[in-house]
Amino acid sequence: AQSVSQHNHHVILSEAASLELGCNYSYGGTVNLFWYVQYPGQHLQLLLKYFSGDPLVKGIKGFEAEFIKSKFSFNLRKPSVQWSDTAEYFCAVIPSGAGSYQLTFGKGTKLSVIP
Amino acid sequence: KAGVTQTPRYLIKTRGQQVTLSCSPISGHRSVSWYQQTPGQGLQFLFEYFSETQRNKGNFPGRFSGRQFSNSRSEMNVSTLELGDSALYLCASSLHRDSYNEQFFGPGTRLTVL
Repeated sequence: AQSVSQHNHHVILSEAASLELGCNYSYGGTVNLFWYVQYPGQHLQLLLKYFSGDPLVKGIKGFEAEFIKSKFSFNLRKPSVQWSDTAEYFCAVIPSGAGSYQLTFGKGTKLSVIP
Repeated sequence: KAGVTQTPRYLIKTRGQQVTLSCSPISGHRSVSWYQQTPGQGLQFLFEYFSETQRNKGNFPGRFSGRQFSNSRSEMNVSTLELGDSALYLCASSLHRDSYNEQFFGPGTRLTVL
């Protein structure tokens, strides 16, 4: 079974600082990777996803993530955060293809951006 | 297009009671998954339904059950509620049943067990 580890429980940054949230997964085969965001009081929504191809993927709101297969990592980055990025961020993985259709999430990283 | 809707949004129950939560997927979506979200455990997969059949089940006791109707709407039921069942229950729908399809999440039902 797959598992996901997010290294930081809570990150506090000032506006304009750069962001990198760590995500590592454990699974013996090919996976599809996702980052979801949950803004305060809102539902979970997809930031970006990686299936195959270019390991650097760009998502909404200026976020990007890099898949490093050798490190089983899929870290989320943003060059300059804004107060509106305050939210909880979840990394998720699912084995590629048909069969199991179960997203496995990390425990989330809460990001607080100070104006 | 309307998103995933969940009812009720908030529920307060006492230990030993049972509860039924409802999820209406995005129109045309046939796969519905349920997740439990708690501060300590994060998001954990409960089960997934497709074509009225449970296809996958997470590691939860038998008190947690669900079903899906012919219009793809889904319900989950928790019997004999325990304090630890207090959580945000999220429903997600997707068009097809494969790993390449995005799952769209609803706003959740906040269940509090007293």
